[in-house]
Amino acid sequence: EAGVTQFPSHSVIEKGQTVTLRCDPISGHDNLYWYRRVMGKEIKFLLHFVKESKQDESGMPNNRFLAERTGGTYSTLKVQPAELEDSGVYFCASSQGILAGVADTQYFGPGTRLTVL
Amino acid sequence: SQQGEEDPQALSIQEGENATMNCSYKTSINNLQWYRQNSGRGLVHLILIRSNEREKHSGRLRVTLDTSKKSSSLLITASRAADTASYFCATDDRGGSEKLVFGKGTKLTVNP
Repeated sequence: EAGVTQFPSHSVIEKGQTVTLRCDPISGHDNLYWYRRVMGKEIKFLLHFVKESKQDESGMPNNRFLAERTGGTYSTLKVQPAELEDSGVYFCASSQGILAGVADTQYFGPGTRLTVL
Repeated sequence: SQQGEEDPQALSIQEGENATMNCSYKTSINNLQWYRQNSGRGLVHLILIRSNEREKHSGRLRVTLDTSKKSSSLLITASRAADTASYFCATDDRGGSEKLVFGKGTKLTVNP
């Protein structure tokens, strides 16, 4: 079974440019999550999709970040325009869903390392 | 807000020794998960322990959970150089959100 995949693995852009990150969850997983880790800080939650709907976007830092999951399969996270403080590693995770009222294991992708110069 | 906090921040041991990492959190949880991250790589899920469980084993890993103390420990027995990585605990939110809250991690170095 293929795991969570993310593309690209690395991205280096200049401040003010736009970058789009892609995540392909494990097949059949309805839940898709985005997290990020900026240098020296904890891994922080950004948002959660259930199929194509945004269930929780409380972690999105500002309106420069736009996440979509059209069709409930893969997801994209667009940063426009990128700022220096957006540099970090962006992780995507997926899970099967709620099991007996309790959230299931989240499986993470390898992450996209974003560097904004 | 709840937060997983790992202790110690860094741990260096010799191959063959056991490594114990601790995690504390602040609010009620449904489950607690441990993840490993090798340098520059993604997060690998190690083990999930539910709030009604006290101990769980997986190979050389042993996880305990004490909900009264809001703490968990991860024990790696007979460590290997390949165990060198950062280890994170992550808790969910019993209030209903499925987001995970991570600590800063413990950086484990196993010297050959």
